[in-house]
Amino acid sequence: ELKVEQNPLFLSMQEGKNYTIYCNYSTTSDRLYWYRQDPGKSLESLFVLLSNGAVKQEGRLMASLDTKARLSTLHITAAVHDLSATYFCAVVTDSGGGADGLTFGKGTHLIIQP
Amino acid sequence: DAGVTQSPTHLIKTRGQQVTLRCSPKSGHDTVSWYQQALGQGPQFIFQYYEEEERQRGNFPDRFSGHQFPNYSSELNVNALLLGDSALYLCASSLAFLEGYEQYFGPGTRLTVT
Repeated sequence: ELKVEQNPLFLSMQEGKNYTIYCNYSTTSDRLYWYRQDPGKSLESLFVLLSNGAVKQEGRLMASLDTKARLSTLHITAAVHDLSATYFCAVVTDSGGGADGLTFGKGTHLIIQP
Repeated sequence: DAGVTQSPTHLIKTRGQQVTLRCSPKSGHDTVSWYQQALGQGPQFIFQYYEEEERQRGNFPDRFSGHQFPNYSSELNVNALLLGDSALYLCASSLAFLEGYEQYFGPGTRLTVT
């Protein structure tokens, strides 16, 4: 059974600081997603990582994937208050035959304080 | 370009009742997945529909069933509701085999079982 673990689960940081969220998964997968969720809202797609060594950046967020270590990171540079949200990583549960349901981590609740 | 839409937004049901939730995928998408998100948790995969058939199923009992229509819209049915079925139900749509494999989420239906 595929397991996805995120850490930390809760993070409080100051504006201007850098930090990294980690996502480990237990079995081979060739696709990893990062989503953002604001309170009471749905999921907003941030990144899709498709291959070993993939790196994607959007603004102050950068995501990377190491399929050999089964590890993805989401790095936040010079955090600003607007990035406060819950961040989820998700891994394709079964990519055979095209089926691609996602297994999610528990999420990282990020609070950025002025 | 309309994104993923879901109805209703909120729903209150009594234990033992049955409920039907609806989802219209993003224009051009042919695959619909359903997820259950309990408060403070990550989404859990229920099932995925493609070409009007259930292609993949998560670890949910048979009380959870679905359907996909020729226009790619989908319904989620839950029978014999339990208190534990109270959650945010999210629908995601995607285009099978599309490079990039984006999965877009709808706003969700908040189900409360009393």
